[in-house]
Amino acid sequence: EVQLVESGGGLVQPGRSLRLSCAASGFTFDDHAIHWVRQAPGKGLEWVSGISWNSASIGYADSVKGRFTIYRDNAKNTLHLQMHSLRAEDMALYYCVKDSSSGSLGGAFDIWGQGTMVTVSS
Amino acid sequence: EIVLTQSPDFQSVTPKEEVTITCRASQSIGSSLHWYQQKPDQSPKLLIKYASQSFSGVPSRFSGSGSGTDFTLTINSLEAEDAATYYCHQSSSLPWTFGQGTKVEIK
Repeated sequence: EVQLVESGGGLVQPGRSLRLSCAASGFTFDDHAIHWVRQAPGKGLEWVSGISWNSASIGYADSVKGRFTIYRDNAKNTLHLQMHSLRAEDMALYYCVKDSSSGSLGGAFDIWGQGTMVTVSS
Repeated sequence: EIVLTQSPDFQSVTPKEEVTITCRASQSIGSSLHWYQQKPDQSPKLLIKYASQSFSGVPSRFSGSGSGTDFTLTINSLEAEDAATYYCHQSSSLPWTFGQGTKVEIK
């Protein structure tokens, strides 16, 4: 079964850091780009960041550029999102999402994890 | 940044009716437009990729059309289980963006 399982969410104070992780199984991880998409409570979907199969292409939303870093470990089939200087507006459910295209960024998001909640509050 | 504008924001529909949701892009995106369904307390699910390609396992009552800047998701003969919020998403140029969502309610 193709699966993405996120972890690492929790309650964090404004200005602090948090690292999210995503464990992939059921497909050839290093054949696909992977993304983070978030959803604030009661709001719509927002793409956060994406990384190609070999980490050569990386993109960030303007809202997180310079504060978040995406990286992957193909040997361990895992994806990470290092988040610094967290703000109240970063509070959301963070989904790990598989790109349907072969390797590069730019496909549809065909597999979604269940998400991990990040709460930013003092 | 490419802005995607969906219409309507909300639609209340009787079962077996046809539903049409549109997504307009602020600039041409070719066919790099995808549609998702999100039910309450669930993760989004891919319905249609590249404007008109049905994703595996999606019921045939869901279809998509369009190219350039104007796209449509059609649900033929709506069923009760189709109550959800629907989003479009473009992967033509970074940053990837989503429409604001269209909530479909069953009367």
